[in-house]
Amino acid sequence: DTEVTQTPKHLVMGMTNKKSLKCEQHMGHRAMYWYKQKAKKPPELMFVYSYEKLSINESVPSRFSPECPNSSLLNLHLHALQPEDSALYLCASSREQGGLQPQHFGDGTRLSIL
Amino acid sequence: GENVEQHPSTLSVQEGDSAVIKCTYSDSASNYFPWYKQELGKRPQLIIDIRSNVGEKKDQRIAVTLNKTAKHFSLHITETQPEDSAVYFCAASIETSYDKVIFGPGTSLSVIP
Repeated sequence: DTEVTQTPKHLVMGMTNKKSLKCEQHMGHRAMYWYKQKAKKPPELMFVYSYEKLSINESVPSRFSPECPNSSLLNLHLHALQPEDSALYLCASSREQGGLQPQHFGDGTRLSIL
Repeated sequence: GENVEQHPSTLSVQEGDSAVIKCTYSDSASNYFPWYKQELGKRPQLIIDIRSNVGEKKDQRIAVTLNKTAKHFSLHITETQPEDSAVYFCAASIETSYDKVIFGPGTSLSVIP
């Protein structure tokens, strides 16, 4: 069973579109993460939310806009993306943000930019 | 900042043989080392982790060893099976409130039946 649920599983969008990726967890975790993953590469951290507050932004372009409406939900709003943004976008959560907490990943959204 | 290296990048073994993947890290303050397995088209899954106060940890066919002095840790898979075929990522992180996990570049393991 996947404890972190991401929707949609696949998304194709044009460079002028606006779309959102959604992530949900019901494990009571207080840290949530967005990663970008290219084929056969490790996940690349984009954003971290801790207790619903943005904790880390890894200098991500403003065309990616994260939002954490509550402790169970994490969104990633997309606008004016570029073809190089095509990738697998993974959401993860952990009990707390911090070095000793294992992260649990969702199945990801495979994003293709036309 | 922390840097994690991982070797080999690809590994092929015969079914039933053992597989070993090695990682090194640069920051001596790192004290948590998870290993993730990612099958093709699927999410990374935590398979085992080790903390710096432990030298070795085992879970059935999987074991991880840690050498803090040399700053390296290894994943050992015994009696490999075709379903072990996947990309394996090692990672390192530091126990502070706002630190992040640094992943190694990954090892693509193929188990040949």
